[in-house]
Amino acid sequence: NAGVTQTPKFQVLKTGQSMTLQCAQDMNHNSMYWYRQDPGMGLRLIYYSASEGTTDKGEVPNGYNVSRLNKREFSLRLESAAPSQTSVYFCASSGTGRAKTQYFGPGTRLLVL
Amino acid sequence: GQQLNQSPQSMFIQEGEDVSMNCTSSSIFNTWLWYKQDPGEGPVLLIALYKAGELTSNGRLTAQFGITRKDSFLNISASIPSDVGIYFCAGQLGGSQGNLIFGKGTKLSVKP
Repeated sequence: NAGVTQTPKFQVLKTGQSMTLQCAQDMNHNSMYWYRQDPGMGLRLIYYSASEGTTDKGEVPNGYNVSRLNKREFSLRLESAAPSQTSVYFCASSGTGRAKTQYFGPGTRLLVL
Repeated sequence: GQQLNQSPQSMFIQEGEDVSMNCTSSSIFNTWLWYKQDPGEGPVLLIALYKAGELTSNGRLTAQFGITRKDSFLNISASIPSDVGIYFCAGQLGGSQGNLIFGKGTKLSVKP
């Protein structure tokens, strides 16, 4: 099992450009999450998807959109990137019941100039 | 919104020493999780705690779910250089989503 995979690993964008971060999991998990990590801020939830076909806002959703393409894949889109979106983005997934512990991907490092 | 206070922010210790860190919250959580993040990697789950008062070990790591359900502790015994990294606590509320609230992390440095 690969667990949670993310692409790309690194990306540099200019202000105003758009891009989509991809995430896939092979653990048959129902729930998937997108976080951003900034120095000294810990991990903050952007959006989550409790199950296929549903998405909800987290703590910091402004400037982002998400798509739960199917049970395996959950993408994060920046329509018009801003320097404040420079961050490391992590995708995570979790099962149900007691197994709601979240498993994280390796991250995408994004620099917006 | 809910907040977790994680302390200390950073620690410099000598190899072989024991380490303690903790998280406190004003909210009650149903689950406490402890993660470790190595540089350039995603967080990796170390220990999950599901019941108030629960004490769980994973090798040299021991974590406890506080009786009040508002705090948790992580201890590392006999630290080694590969323990270096950032340790995060996370509290999970009830409900179907399983959303986590993360502490800001404890950065651990170990001197050989």
